Amino acid sequence: NAGVTQTPKFQVLKTGQSMTLQCAQDMNHEYMSWYRQDPGMGLRLIHYSVGAGITDQGEVPNGYNVSRSTTEDFPLRLLSAAPSQTSVYFCASSRPGQGNSPLHFGNGTRLTVT
Amino acid sequence: RKEVEQDPGPFNVPEGATVAFNCTYSNSASQSFFWYRQDCRKEPKLLMSVYSSGNEDGRFTAQLNRASQYISLLIRDSKLSDSATYLCVVNREGAAGNKLTFGGGTRVLVKP
Repeated sequence: NAGVTQTPKFQVLKTGQSMTLQCAQDMNHEYMSWYRQDPGMGLRLIHYSVGAGITDQGEVPNGYNVSRSTTEDFPLRLLSAAPSQTSVYFCASSRPGQGNSPLHFGNGTRLTVT
Repeated sequence: RKEVEQDPGPFNVPEGATVAFNCTYSNSASQSFFWYRQDCRKEPKLLMSVYSSGNEDGRFTAQLNRASQYISLLIRDSKLSDSATYLCVVNREGAAGNKLTFGGGTRVLVKP
């Protein structure tokens, strides 16, 4: 099993550009989520999904879109990149009833917006 | 006030010593608690869940104090490989499902 796979590992964007961060998991996890991690802020939830076809907003959803057409994939789209979106992004998944199930994280995507 | 707060550290620990640190949470409805470990420039990984009666996993002991709303992590006989950032995670169930909130992390540096 590959676990949670995120691509790309690094990305530099100019302000206003759009891009999609990819996330795929092969553990048949129903719950998937995107976090951003900034110094001193901890991980903050952007969007999450409890199953295919279902998505919902987290703590900091503005400027990001998600979709969940399959159980395996949960891409995160930046619509018009801003310097404030410079961060490290982590995708995570877990089994149903994720409150007591551990989160499995991808390796992260380091995004810089200039 | 942040929902989950941790002392950012760093805690400088001599190899072989014991170190302990806490995490406070503000919402009394929080139901489950975890410690994650994050190495520099890596993804977080689950270290251990925290149970009401306290629990131990090798050199690591986690405790929960619901009355004072904090959890703690104690590391005995510290190894150089224990150097990492330890993230406290608090889960609360609500109408919209589970809500996991991460603390900012406590950095531990174990030195020879």
